[in-house]
Amino acid sequence: SQKIEQNSEALNIQEGKTATLTCNYTNYSPAYLQWYRQDPGRGPVFLLLIRENEKEKRKERLKVTFDTTLKQSLFHITASQPADSATYLCAPCIGGSYIPTFGRGTSLIVHP
Amino acid sequence: DAGVIQSPRHEVTEMGQEVTLRCKPISGHDYLFWYRQTMMRGLELLIYFNNNVPIDDSGMPEDRFSAKMPNASFSTLKIQPSEPRDSAVYFCASSSGRGGYTGELFFGEGSRLTVL
Repeated sequence: SQKIEQNSEALNIQEGKTATLTCNYTNYSPAYLQWYRQDPGRGPVFLLLIRENEKEKRKERLKVTFDTTLKQSLFHITASQPADSATYLCAPCIGGSYIPTFGRGTSLIVHP
Repeated sequence: DAGVIQSPRHEVTEMGQEVTLRCKPISGHDYLFWYRQTMMRGLELLIYFNNNVPIDDSGMPEDRFSAKMPNASFSTLKIQPSEPRDSAVYFCASSSGRGGYTGELFFGEGSRLTVL
C-alpha cells in the first residue's frame, strides 16, 4: 500500500541553525511533491512545490530536494528562527488528478 | 481575497445527532476538498469536487457521511448520525485548475468536531 513517512518525533534545534526535515514515500511515483506548514489550531499553508524533473527548489530561506530514485524529499530551513516553529507536512501528488496525499507531519521547535 | 471560510469553528454534539459543516471556497477556484485530521491518522482526504461535481468520494468513511456542492461558492459535509469516533478537525480546501493543475491547496481554519 502507499505510504508517506515523516519523523513523528519533534525536531529541536537552536536559532540560527539549519533545520532538515525528511519525507520518505513508498509505492508512489508522484509527479509533484508539496510542503505545507501548519500552526496549532490553524489550517495548513502551502510553502513549496517541486516537480519530479527538478532536483532542488528554493524560496527565501527554504530549500526542498526531491530524489525520485530514493523516493525521498528533504526540506531545509536555513538560519532558523523561533517563528519557524510549526508542523511541516509533506504531500506527494500522484495520479492523473495530482491530488495531494499528506504525511502526518514533523513538528519543528526552534529554540532562541 | 477572504480565503476559504468554514463554519462552525467548533461544534460539540451528542452521539446520534446530525452535524453539518459548511465551506465557502475562494472565489474562482474550481476544486474543493474535504479533509479530516486526527492525531492517529493525520490529514485524510474524504472527498473532492471539480466544478461542483463530486470526483472521488472513496475517502468517505461510511454512509453516515455525505457531501454536497450545490453551487461554486458553497459546500456542506454532513454526518448523520454522528459517533464519538467522528471527533476530529475537518478542513475544507480549494484550488484552481487554471494554468495547469499543480494541486496547491488553500485551506480554511477548520471545524473542530467533538461528539460526546
